[in-house]
Amino acid sequence: AQSVTQPDIHITVSEGASLELRCNYSYGATPYLFWYVQSPGQGLQLLLKYFSGDTLVQGIKGFEAEFKRSQSSFNLRKPSVHWSDAAEYFCATSGGSYIPTFGRGTSLIVHP
Amino acid sequence: KAGVTQTPRYLIKTRGQQVTLSCSPISGHRSVSWYQQTPGQGLQFLFEYFSETQRNKGNFPGRFSGRQFSNSRSEMNVSTLELGDSALYLCASSLGQVGVNEQFFGPGTRLTVL
Repeated sequence: AQSVTQPDIHITVSEGASLELRCNYSYGATPYLFWYVQSPGQGLQLLLKYFSGDTLVQGIKGFEAEFKRSQSSFNLRKPSVHWSDAAEYFCATSGGSYIPTFGRGTSLIVHP
Repeated sequence: KAGVTQTPRYLIKTRGQQVTLSCSPISGHRSVSWYQQTPGQGLQFLFEYFSETQRNKGNFPGRFSGRQFSNSRSEMNVSTLELGDSALYLCASSLGQVGVNEQFFGPGTRLTVL
């Protein structure tokens, strides 16, 4: 069965600093991979997705993620964090069943 | 284009009651999925409906059911509520197959079971 692990429950960064959120997946074949963001009181919004091809994926709001098959990882990065990026971030995958499996989420705190 | 809407936004019920939640997808989207979000279990997939048919189902008991109407609007029903059903229930719509296509999420319905 597929699974997703987000090792960091909370991440604190200063505004303007770079960011990397970790995501590890478990699935035999090449998975579909997603990063979503959830602001307080809101639903989830898709930041980016990976299906195949170029392993570096560009998303919205200046985010990017890199698929590394050898490490079973799909880490999310942003070169310079803004205070408005404070939110909960979810990594998700879906395998052959197409049923999405989400990680437990990483809460991003941004200090001014 | 209007986003995904969910009604009601907040709901308080007591154990043993049943509840129906409603979701209106983005116009043109035929796939509607439901998720349960709790602090303990995180975000879990309940089921997906496409063209009025349940296409995928997560690992939830039969007390959780849903349906989709011809206009793609969907309802989710939970019977015989338990305290553990307290959660944020999210609905998402997409053009096609869940797990492959981008999903657009509603703001959720916060259900509290007393």
